[in-house]
Amino acid sequence: SAVISQKPSRDICQRGTSLTIQCQVDSQVTMMFWYRQQPGQSLTLIATANQGSEATYESGFVIDKFPISRPNLTFSTLTVSNMSPEDSSIYLCSVEGLDGYTFGSGTRLTVV
Amino acid sequence: AQSVTQLDSQVPVFEEAPVELRCNYSSSVSVYLFWYVQYPNQGLQLLLKYLSGSTLVKGINGFEAEFNKSQTSFHLRKPSVHISDTAEYFCAVSGGADKLIFGTGTRLQVFP
Repeated sequence: SAVISQKPSRDICQRGTSLTIQCQVDSQVTMMFWYRQQPGQSLTLIATANQGSEATYESGFVIDKFPISRPNLTFSTLTVSNMSPEDSSIYLCSVEGLDGYTFGSGTRLTVV
Repeated sequence: AQSVTQLDSQVPVFEEAPVELRCNYSSSVSVYLFWYVQYPNQGLQLLLKYLSGSTLVKGINGFEAEFNKSQTSFHLRKPSVHISDTAEYFCAVSGGADKLIFGTGTRLQVFP
């Protein structure tokens, strides 16, 4: 299965600032997925990122708040913009492989 | 569209007792089903998956699950739990080459 390198692993940010999270995959993949896991909650899909096209956002998530880049088949970034304490969560990227879905180790974001 | 319902938010059980964590899904297409485990402050680990074939799926750590199409269920079972099984368990569904949708999670608490 694919191996995903996600960074940063954690960060503490001031409200009103932005943070960009990176995911690098060791193989080419068509789709990459970005999830949010709020404290004590399950994983919620933010968007699906395809190379060469605009990301597809789930209900409740918008591009202005969570812009995504997908410049090639092995890399993607998610930016959390104009952060507020409510954005404090773990953010994870994921890809689908032959054996199922692989997840990055997550970015634990705290907004103060 | 797919959806997943995990009927129990918490399941307390004594060590060496059997356990069943319930999961029901809804989908208009054929599905792939997954169980993931998340230990405290750790990432997601795949326990087992159903893609096709035998409806009884065996996973890691002695867990197994049975795909029941008529009841749209994919319950997770273990005949004898250990303290180390204490974790959050997530059921997830995909329509294949598609996003993965998670249930709300079940916290398994194993007592000595």
